[in-house]
Parts: sequence; C-alpha cells; structure tokens
Amino acid sequence: SAVISQKPSRDICQRGTSLTIQCQVDSQVTMMFWYRQQPGQSLTLIATANQGSEATYESGFVIDKFPISRPNLTFSTLTVSNMSPEDSSIYLCSVVFGEYGYGYTFGSGTRLTVV
Amino acid sequence: AQSVTQPDIHITVSEGASLELRCNYSYGATPYLFWYVQSPGQGLQLLLKYFSGDTLVQGIKGFEAEFKRSQSSFNLRKPSVHWSDAAEYFCAVLNSGGSNYKLTFGKGTLLTVNP
Repeated sequence: SAVISQKPSRDICQRGTSLTIQCQVDSQVTMMFWYRQQPGQSLTLIATANQGSEATYESGFVIDKFPISRPNLTFSTLTVSNMSPEDSSIYLCSVVFGEYGYGYTFGSGTRLTVV
Repeated sequence: AQSVTQPDIHITVSEGASLELRCNYSYGATPYLFWYVQSPGQGLQLLLKYFSGDTLVQGIKGFEAEFKRSQSSFNLRKPSVHWSDAAEYFCAVLNSGGSNYKLTFGKGTLLTVNP
C-alpha cells in the first residue's frame, strides 16, 4: 500500500487569493488524482495529475482555476486560484498502485474554507 | 457512463443491531467496486473492494459486501454495529477503461448509531 501525506490539512483563506495543496506519497505510483468534496456532497474527480506533462481535467474543471503540477512519481500539487466561497470544499489527493486500479488510496484531505 | 446510486441518504440503527447499506451501480463492463468510510473531518478509508472471484468480500472493521451482478448491487453489511461505526459511507465504481482510472462515487449514506 501507499501512504499519502497531504498538507495543509485545513485552511481559511480570503476570497481572491490562491492556495496550493501538496500531496506526497511514500512510494512511486503510476497515477495520481485530485478530487473535490463540496459540503454535504460526494466526491468528484477534478483531474488526473500526469508526471511531466499537463494534467487531464474532467468536464467542468479548467487549468486556469485548478493548476496542477506533478514533477515526479511521488509528488503533486493542486492550486485553487482566485478563490471564492463556492470553492470551500475538501480537496483530496489519491493514488493508484498495482494493476487495474486495485490499490486506490486517498489522502486525509485539505479542508478549505473561503471567506 | 457509469453511475452509482445509494438510495438511503441517512440510516439510524441501534448499537448491536445489524446493518445493510445499499449500493446499485450502472456500468457496461465488469465493475470494480469499492466501499469507503469517512468519519467527520477525515479523509476516506477503504473498507473493502471487489475486483473478481468470490462475490462475498470481507473487509476491515467486520464489514462485508456481496456483489450481485443480476441485481447490479454491492450492498455493505455488518452483523453488529458499534458506536464507532457512525460515519458516512460511500460506494464507488472504477472506470478502468484505457488509461482512465476514475472513481465514480455515490452520494453517500450517513450512518447514525444510537446507544
């Protein structure tokens, strides 16, 4: 299995500012993802973080709002840009190891509140 | 497109009672199915998963789930609930087509345990 360290664990930010969330994995993994969980809602995939290339975004999410970096096989960042109160959510990093997505693991999440 | 339905938004049981949380999925191919639990303010913890083989899957914390292809269901069960099981439970199906390892989640079932 993989152990994921995500930080910050929580933050309160002013609208119009940006926050960068870090995700560190203790072993090399093929695939890394970022999910969002809005208050009282389920999880929605934001994007797949691709190592050495641009992230692949899901419908409704754009790079200008959620720029993602993945410089190597163990680390990724998600930035929430120009924040508004609607961005208040839990943001979770997840990784897949093993074949066929067998080992699908989530970090503990970043609870973001925008005021 | 794949989808997951958790018909029960909120379930309340007494401690020591049995539990069954329902999950129905829609997916064109053989589904890979997961159950996760999320305690308040926490990330997601994997309870169990089904990829192939025995349709009755054992997980952590005394949980089990049964895959029934004919009913497109993957219900989670526990014979005797403990107060610490109070949490939100999410069922998910993995889209493993090509290089896409997206998890599609149900809306979750909130479990309350009465003493």
